[in-house]
Amino acid sequence: DAKTTQPTSMDCAEGRAANLPCNHSTISGNEYVYWYRQIHSQGPQYIIHGLKNNETNEMASLIITEDRKSSTLILPHATLRDTAVYYCIVRVDSYTDKLIFGTGTRLQVFP
Amino acid sequence: GAGVSQSPRYKVAKRGQDVALRCDPISGHVSLFWYQQALGQGPEFLTYFQNEAQLDKSGLPSDRFFAERPEGSVSTLKIQRTQQEDSAVYLCASSSATGSGRGYGYTFGSGTRLTVV
Repeated sequence: DAKTTQPTSMDCAEGRAANLPCNHSTISGNEYVYWYRQIHSQGPQYIIHGLKNNETNEMASLIITEDRKSSTLILPHATLRDTAVYYCIVRVDSYTDKLIFGTGTRLQVFP
Repeated sequence: GAGVSQSPRYKVAKRGQDVALRCDPISGHVSLFWYQQALGQGPEFLTYFQNEAQLDKSGLPSDRFFAERPEGSVSTLKIQRTQQEDSAVYLCASSSATGSGRGYGYTFGSGTRLTVV
């Protein structure tokens, strides 16, 4: 079973920030938070990951609470192409560790 | 190649037919994973290879499902005597043993959509 809880769906206006929450209250000390997204008819795409510090890359920012029990993925300026299902996953950072997906958050960006 | 390639992109099979789905991972990637994604659901793990060794097949739903990666690169997922409940998108992903700026995040292919009629 997935170790994370996410809202089923969210809406966001184009150009605004999209903030996608994730709860992972049972996360272990050696587990990272990974975010993937899946655009219709494509495979999941890596977005960002982090352990305990906030992270930022060209796609998004990841804010992890101090107790690491929850996190927020931030898309600073959402576009229509950001409409997708977003998955929050906790896992050991290893090339042998499988990803366990939940049902994710369906983000709809509207004009 | 630059990404993970899967073929065919679409497959329609008659119930009872055998099918073979191919995955070409990123060159040099040690780890290869297969996932099954039913309509409206998140991907579910099927099996994992490290080089040519199949180290985890706990997600394969029945003995009709078989996967191989004989030379540690290309992998094939075979489904024998297909049933309607096998209809899904089958995704392949690969990961490097050395990690990168994306940690040990996978790269997924676009999947094969299997429809059993």
